[in-house]
Amino acid sequence: DSGVTQTPKHLITATGQRVTLRCSPRSGDLSVYWYQQSLDQGLQFLIQYYNGEERAKGNILERFSAQQFPDLHSELNLSSLELGDSALYFCASSLGLADLQETQYFGPGTRLLVL
Amino acid sequence: GENVEQHPSTLSVQEGDSAVIKCTYSDSASNYFPWYKQELGKGPQLIIDIRSNVGEKKDQRIAVTLNKTAKHFSLHITETQPEDSAVYFCAALYFGNEKLTFGTGTRLTIIP
Repeated sequence: DSGVTQTPKHLITATGQRVTLRCSPRSGDLSVYWYQQSLDQGLQFLIQYYNGEERAKGNILERFSAQQFPDLHSELNLSSLELGDSALYFCASSLGLADLQETQYFGPGTRLLVL
Repeated sequence: GENVEQHPSTLSVQEGDSAVIKCTYSDSASNYFPWYKQELGKGPQLIIDIRSNVGEKKDQRIAVTLNKTAKHFSLHITETQPEDSAVYFCAALYFGNEKLTFGTGTRLTIIP
């Protein structure tokens, strides 16, 4: 158990809908990362937050957005969903120290199926 | 940006034998190389990592080697056991950029 929690575990929705994925980082971690894992694209970095502020952006679509709240939990919002958005979405967390290459600990993921 | 290639994509090994998975990276500025194990239905779990100031690191049956000149790093698992069966991912990251770039994964199967 990494200490990172994600809800829900599974999510089934229809095209055009909007969903919110939630992540709670390990106790003491200030950085949260979101990744998408699909069969054809592998594990892709989406976005990182540090202590409430966006720190880095990867291959995140404009239809997707994220935020980190004062209690450090994070939410990933996916809107206007398309079939191709079906994937596993992982959250990871780390301490957030800027001058170290830190270990990122992954949560169990949310499996999203868009029908 | 960084690109990480991982080989082989699948690997079957007799129980008790060794397994080796290799990765190459493109950005010479990369200086942190973790390896993750992902079991079915679970998130990636860090099993070992190495920083660029070290050439080799070992933790019981698992070792990682790094060749900065050739931009290669490898995972070595000795005395493999059935519970080692999983998908293994290598990754690379460089200082100042916290985006982990992952390899495409290796599905390791240990044959009893």
